[in-house]
Parts: sequence; structure tokens; C-alpha cells
Amino acid sequence: GEDVEQSLFLSVREGDSSVINCTYTDSSSTYLYWYKQEPGAGLQLLTYIFSNMDMKQDQRLTVLLNKKDKHLSLRIADTQTGDSAIYFCATLGRANNLFFGTGTRLTVIP
Amino acid sequence: SQTIHQWPATLVQPVGSPLSLECTVEGTSNPNLYWYRQAAGRGLQLLFYSVGIGQISSEVPQNLSASRPQDRQFILSSKKLLLSDSGFYLCAWSVDRGAHGYTFGSGTRLTVV
Repeated sequence: GEDVEQSLFLSVREGDSSVINCTYTDSSSTYLYWYKQEPGAGLQLLTYIFSNMDMKQDQRLTVLLNKKDKHLSLRIADTQTGDSAIYFCATLGRANNLFFGTGTRLTVIP
Repeated sequence: SQTIHQWPATLVQPVGSPLSLECTVEGTSNPNLYWYRQAAGRGLQLLFYSVGIGQISSEVPQNLSASRPQDRQFILSSKKLLLSDSGFYLCAWSVDRGAHGYTFGSGTRLTVV
């Protein structure tokens, strides 16, 4: 089955950039997503990228896709304390279902 | 607009008791529906998905079952809960899985004691 991997933890200082990385195994993934989960809440779709793109920018968020290496990253510029959350990478793969990584807990230090 | 409701928000149940978690979607027809579980310190695991009334696919063998008695209703059940069933359960729906991904409910935190 599909395997999606992320680092479990990331800490950054307020105002710095955060980079959250993700690797996946299914080369046929058509869409790749980043979701944000705040404490005790459901998942909120932040952004997505189609597999024929290598970059997408949306305000403070930049998504980079290296399809050859099956590597996806999310960069958050000027990270704020409100960005503290768990960030999930997900791929649209087998049977058109989403497969999620383990999530990266981002802690922003004031 | 489309909304998804999931309840209850929290639940504490003894081992061996039954479980019923309900999820309903409003504002859309014939959605694809999903149940995910997020265990403590772990990622999201797809438990069940449904593409229509009465159609349930199970991703992993387990102590749980799912049903879809109506187009926009998805129910997660167990006859006898185990300690290992504790976790955060999330319902989600999609129509166009491409550009929009899934929309998630607010989740149910289940603690089996």
C-alpha cells in the first residue's frame, strides 16, 4: 500500500520560516495535499498541488514537489504562534483514496 | 453550503460496551464518506469508506463496523469495545477528491476504560 512519511516534530522561532517535509511511495499520486490540525479539532485543508506542478504559492505558504524523488514540502514564511499545530501530508492514490502521513507537530516558540 | 456534523465530541466507554458514532453531511448529494482513526501519537488510519448507500469498504481488519443507511449518514459501530479502540475518530466526505480533497468533521475523542 501507499506509504507517506513525515518527521514527527519541528520547532521554530516566531518570525522564522518553517519547512515541513514529506516523502511518499506511490508515483501515480495525482494530487498531494497539506492539512492542518489544531488541538482537539478536525483537519483543515491548507493547500494542494497537482502532480504536474513543481511549486505552488499561496500567501505565506509555498508547496514544493519533487516528483522524481517523491518529496513534498510545505514552507510557512514568517511563522506565527497561531501556526502551531499538526500538519499532515496526504496523497491521492490507490482506489482514489487519500493516504495520510503521521503528521508533523509544529511548535512555534515566541 | 456543505457542512459535516459528527457527534458526540467526546465519549468515555467501558471495555465490552457497544459503540455508535454518527456522521451526517448536509448540502451535497451522493458524497463519498470516510471514517479515519487517529491513535495517540500516530497518524491517520483509514478505517472505512463508502461510495453509496449500503456500500462499505473496509481498509483494515478490526473490531469495528460501518454502515450507511442513508445517502448522507455514516455510522461507525462496535458490539464490544476494546482498550485499543481508544482514539480520535474523524469522519470525512468528498465529491471531487481532486482539487478539494476531503472535508473533515470535528472528530470524536473516544476513551475506552
